[in-house]
Amino acid sequence: DAGVIQSPRHEVTEMGQEVTLRCKPISGHDYLFWYRQTMMRGLELLIYFNNNVPIDDSGMPEDRFSAKMPNASFSTLKIQPSEPRDSAVYFCASSLPSSQETQYFGPGTRLLVL
Amino acid sequence: SQKIEQNSEALNIQEGKTATLTCNYTNYSPAYLQWYRQDPGRGPVFLLLIRENEKEKRKERLKVTFDTTLKQSLFHITASQPADSATYLCALDKGGNNRKLIWGLGTSLAVNP
Repeated sequence: DAGVIQSPRHEVTEMGQEVTLRCKPISGHDYLFWYRQTMMRGLELLIYFNNNVPIDDSGMPEDRFSAKMPNASFSTLKIQPSEPRDSAVYFCASSLPSSQETQYFGPGTRLLVL
Repeated sequence: SQKIEQNSEALNIQEGKTATLTCNYTNYSPAYLQWYRQDPGRGPVFLLLIRENEKEKRKERLKVTFDTTLKQSLFHITASQPADSATYLCALDKGGNNRKLIWGLGTSLAVNP
C-alpha cells in the first residue's frame, strides 16, 4: 500500500485566495483525520470522519475552514478566504475501525499564505 | 483545561547512551498513551501504545512506562544511535468511541556520534 497520500505537498498563495488540500487514506481505513501543525501549538486536530461522516469538527478554527469526504478514498480541506495565520503544515491521517488503533499520517501539505 | 507537557528543551546525548523523554499530563484520564516519532518534513510515525493498566511496554530498544498516579509516561531508547535523532511526540487517548488524540508539542532528540 502507498500509505496516506496528500496533495499538494507545498502551497504558496496570497491572502484572500481559496486553498484546497486533498487526501487519500489507506484503503480499508474507516477513520480519517485532518490536523494542523505549528511550532507554537503543535499538532491540533481539526476534524475527523468515520465512514465518510464528520464526527468531531470542534477543532475547525472558524467558518473559513470546511472539510468534506465524498467517498471512502478521498477527502478535502478547504480554506476560503485564506489568511497569513493559516500558514502551517496540514496533515491527513487514517486508521482502522477498532479502538486503540494507531494513526497513519500522510507526508503533509506545507501551506504558506502571503 | 487538559494539558500535556513534554521536555521543552532539546535533548542531546552521546551515541550508545540511554535517552529518556518525559510526557506529563494534567486534568485528563487517558485510557491509552501513544508515542510517535517525527522526522523533519514528514508526518508522525507510530512507535508504541501503552494502556492505563500496563506499567511498561517494550519493543526492541524502546521502552515506555505509564504511571497513572504520577500522570506521567517515560519513553526510553537504549543503546541510542544517530539514526534515532528526531522529534518524539506523546498523545493521549480517552478510548471508547471518541477517537480524538490530545498531543504534546514533542521533544527533539539529537544523538551525537
